[in-house]
Amino acid sequence: DVKVTQSSRYLVKRTGEKVFLECVQDMDHENMFWYRQDPGLGLRLIYFSYDVKMKEKGDIPEGYSVSREKKERFSLILESASTNQTSMYLCASTSMGRNNYEQYFGPGTRLTVT
Amino acid sequence: RKEVEQDPGPFNVPEGATVAFNCTYSNSASQSFFWYRQDCRKEPKLLMSVYSSGNEDGRFTAQLNRASQYISLLIRDSKLSDSATYLCVVMGGSARQLTFGSGTQLTVLP
Repeated sequence: DVKVTQSSRYLVKRTGEKVFLECVQDMDHENMFWYRQDPGLGLRLIYFSYDVKMKEKGDIPEGYSVSREKKERFSLILESASTNQTSMYLCASTSMGRNNYEQYFGPGTRLTVT
Repeated sequence: RKEVEQDPGPFNVPEGATVAFNCTYSNSASQSFFWYRQDCRKEPKLLMSVYSSGNEDGRFTAQLNRASQYISLLIRDSKLSDSATYLCVVMGGSARQLTFGSGTQLTVLP
């Protein structure tokens, strides 16, 4: 059974703190993604990675950075958290194969920045 | 204008009803189309792909109209377990990127 895990389900941080969100997949997938989901806006792509040490900006990268040192792990970093980064963060992965449109999602991390 | 637009609902329908969701997309170069399902407080999961010829999976039928840039999902004989948010998803120029609509919420009532 495929599995994507995220380090925390709920997280509360203060404005200005550095925040790390971790994502691990056990499917040997090449591609990994970070989204945020907000009511009325749907899922918006923050960053994605095709391979180890590779990263590309998505639609809303401002205020975020990422790290992919190992194939199975993709980290999202908020250098200095702000209240407008309060959101649900979802990690996903997919393979390079024929069915690469089927993204497998983690359970999400609900981040609150106060 | 959003790249992928959906009626947010909510749609409240009785068990056994037929319900249809619509979605429009703005990028005419979009290549592939999907419906994902997201249960309350859960992650999205692929429901089905959408092809120009139309495709059916049990009680679910998906249709694509490229000329009108329009996608639909029809659910027949609704079950309580169909209650969820249905996300219209479009794959654009880069084969690895998906663009999600904001979702249509469905509640099937007993």
